[in-house]
Amino acid sequence: DIQMTQSPSSLSASVGDGVTITCRASQKITNSLNWYQQIPGKAPKLLIFAASSLQSGVPSRFSGRGSGTDFTLTISSLQPEDFGTYYCQQSYNTPRTFGQGTKLEIK
Amino acid sequence: EVQLVESGGGLVQPGRSLRLSCAASGFTFDDYAIHWVRQVPGKGLEWVSSISWNSGSIGYGDFVKGRFTVSRDNAKNSVYLQMNSLRPEDTALYYCAKDRTAADTGWFDPWGQGTLVTVSS
Repeated sequence: DIQMTQSPSSLSASVGDGVTITCRASQKITNSLNWYQQIPGKAPKLLIFAASSLQSGVPSRFSGRGSGTDFTLTISSLQPEDFGTYYCQQSYNTPRTFGQGTKLEIK
Repeated sequence: EVQLVESGGGLVQPGRSLRLSCAASGFTFDDYAIHWVRQVPGKGLEWVSSISWNSGSIGYGDFVKGRFTVSRDNAKNSVYLQMNSLRPEDTALYYCAKDRTAADTGWFDPWGQGTLVTVSS
């Protein structure tokens, strides 16, 4: 199985800050990497697919980069509604696997 | 509006069975694969199962080990997850999610609100 490792596990930032979350796969997965946001009490929401493509309706302050084994999710200017937990997920093969999550909290 | 609604969760004793349902609306159901993903409250996400548009391609997470069976009824716009031999470690919120195509491409969007399964004596 492909292991997905996110860093950091938690992050504290202020509104207006820029933040970057990293995801590393245990083997090469081309660009088969998706990012999800989960607000407490809500279902996850797809933000980025195929490593760098923005899902329809997602604000442009979210961006994704990477290929192979190393990927990043960047939020350019944090808004109050961005706080929650972010997960990466590989869609290269089965079983589909997720990172352990990065909890983004308000400073 | 695309909507997925899970049902069928509840409290069940270890070793017993439960059948979850996922009712879909707002899109042409038989054009898309559907997935099940679970989440232990307060913990991370774990893929459970996927089923393609015509049930021709089905997959399960390693932990299932023959205990779960996914199926779909396109006439009823529904997907089902039959869970047998339930264990306490199966306790989780079970989500269904739509894929972007008829085949399983591994994208989950959107998700339902989830149904809680608690396995305990």
